[in-house]
Amino acid sequence: KNEVEQSPQNLTAQEGEFITINCSYSVGISALHWLQQHPGGGIVSLFMLSSGKKKHGRLIATINIQEKHSSLHITASHPRDSAVYICAVLAATGNQFYFGTGTSLTVIP
Amino acid sequence: GAVVSQHPSRVICKSGTSVKIECRSLDFQATTMFWYRQFPKKSLMLMATSNEGSKATYEQGVEKDKFLINHASLTLSTLTVTSAHPEDSSFYICSARGTGATDTQYFGPGTRLTVL
Repeated sequence: KNEVEQSPQNLTAQEGEFITINCSYSVGISALHWLQQHPGGGIVSLFMLSSGKKKHGRLIATINIQEKHSSLHITASHPRDSAVYICAVLAATGNQFYFGTGTSLTVIP
Repeated sequence: GAVVSQHPSRVICKSGTSVKIECRSLDFQATTMFWYRQFPKKSLMLMATSNEGSKATYEQGVEKDKFLINHASLTLSTLTVTSAHPEDSSFYICSARGTGATDTQYFGPGTRLTVL
């Protein structure tokens, strides 16, 4: 069983829809990252969370430490949001990062 | 915010040649840098952890003589893929952590290596 599980694995949405991607983890963590990987590979760090909620533009990330769960929300989705979104957690016990396998999002015009 | 850069972003080389990938922390000092490899449709896999001024620690199954890592300064780490083979074609990502005990870890944009 992976330490980090993401759902859904694949997601197709119409432009303008509200999107939620979920991440659950099984280890104690010191931080959780949401990464965006565009076709062609380039990775962008979207958020780093250790508690609560963060917002950047149309993106919102939340984390519930007690439930070991985080969500990434995209409001008013746009085709340029099409990418793979990866959840990564930094274990509380050291340098170990655990990665989810990613959620592939396609936003259709 | 903190930025980690990688160079080149894409490289194509012939089998048998060596390729060097640079990872730089642009506005912070990184005592620890991490190198990851991503296989198609797979998650990132940690290859090695390097601390400035000391030898890298390689994960099990990663050939240290093939993937040479140098972390000569607090802002630069390099990964050299020696005698590259087509199976080394992959996406390589570095990540850097600052000098403070609670510093977070930032990811580079990655380098796409294609070995012909």
